[in-house]
Amino acid sequence: KAGVTQTPRYLIKTRGQQVTLSCSPISGHRSVSWYQQTPGQGLQFLFEYFSETQRNKGNFPGRFSGRQFSNSRSEMNVSTLELGDSALYLCASSPSGVTQPQHFGDGTRLSIL
Amino acid sequence: QQQVKQSPQSLIVQKGGIPIINCAYENTAFDYFPWYQQFPGKGPALLIAIRPDVSEKKEGRFTISFNKSAKQFSLHIMDSQPGDSATYFCAALSAGSARQLTFGSGTQLTVLP
Repeated sequence: KAGVTQTPRYLIKTRGQQVTLSCSPISGHRSVSWYQQTPGQGLQFLFEYFSETQRNKGNFPGRFSGRQFSNSRSEMNVSTLELGDSALYLCASSPSGVTQPQHFGDGTRLSIL
Repeated sequence: QQQVKQSPQSLIVQKGGIPIINCAYENTAFDYFPWYQQFPGKGPALLIAIRPDVSEKKEGRFTISFNKSAKQFSLHIMDSQPGDSATYFCAALSAGSARQLTFGSGTQLTVLP
């Protein structure tokens, strides 16, 4: 079974731009969660999607948004990028939610210049 | 607000040693405590997890000890190997409707040959 696939692996953007990251979960997994990883703040939960609906949301500003498609693939969008948004963005999938083992992708490294 | 405190930040042991990583939590509404292992350039991978009704869980060379009254849990790695060199994260899953994983700050483990 293929693992969680995140694209692109690396992105460089400038302040004020917006960015969209993609996550393809393991086949059959319907829950996708997104996390931000930085040296200063560590791993922080952004949001979880299940069956195309946002089920839970972490403490991030509205510039961070996401969506999930009918095939369970998910996208995360960050608008009006700030220098502090530079981070590794990870997605994780599981069959039906965060109470089950989370399978992480290798992340998208976003750098803001 | 950091709800899961992890220590130490870094740890160096000799091959065959038993590194111990500790975590403490404040929120008593956590009901699932996983540990993740992360290698450079990779996403975290679930190692082992425990629920609060169990005081110890062992899987291969990895053991979680859980002290519910003290709100602490720890990871022990028996007979550590250089291949165990990685960053380890504890986490706690909040109960109730707003289910999300809160991660510790991570421990960088180095096992010397």
